[in-house]
Amino acid sequence: EVQLVESGGGLVKPGGSLGLSCAASGFTFSSYNMYWVRQAPGKGLEWVSSITTTSAYIYYVDSVKGRFTTSRDNAKNALYLQMNSLRVEDTAVYYCARRGADGAYCYDYWGQGTLVTVSS
Amino acid sequence: EIVLTQSPGTLSLSPGERATLSCRASQSISSNYLSWYQQKPGQPPRLLIYGASSRATGIPDRFSGSGSGTDFTLTISRLEPEDFAVYYCQQYGSSIWTFGQGTKVDIK
Repeated sequence: EVQLVESGGGLVKPGGSLGLSCAASGFTFSSYNMYWVRQAPGKGLEWVSSITTTSAYIYYVDSVKGRFTTSRDNAKNALYLQMNSLRVEDTAVYYCARRGADGAYCYDYWGQGTLVTVSS
Repeated sequence: EIVLTQSPGTLSLSPGERATLSCRASQSISSNYLSWYQQKPGQPPRLLIYGASSRATGIPDRFSGSGSGTDFTLTISRLEPEDFAVYYCQQYGSSIWTFGQGTKVDIK
């Protein structure tokens, strides 16, 4: 069974840092592009970042470029999101998600999410 | 960046009725790159449709997707009680992914 489990969320002050993790199981992690998606309270979904299988290509939404860093460890089946210089508007539930099987352009599995609250 | 606009914002219907949700792209996109998700309160999104019209594993056949170019549609043929939720379309283009703002289907 495919499982994605996020951790690391919490309360942080503006300007602070936080690191999120996503533990993957039930599939060959190294064969899938992975993603971070966030959802502010009561709002819609926003793609945050993508990382390819070998970390050769990493992409970010403009609003987090230069502040967030996505990485992965295929040996540990883990995806990471390091968030620096956090802003109030970064408050959201952060989900990790897997690219669709057979390269389909979609996210076929999602974690339950972890809440990040940026507040003084 | 391609913008996806979903309409209506809210759709109020009764169980058993047909729901038609629209997703319009600001420029033409490949059908391969258009997906639909369902999200219920407190839950992560669930993939319904990918490639504009292919149902994901385990998705009932009352859900169908169609469209091409800039106009895409998600249809729920007969609403079941568990279908009342928020629906998002998503597209991929030039290494960027974007979501529509969502359509809420609620009980009339």
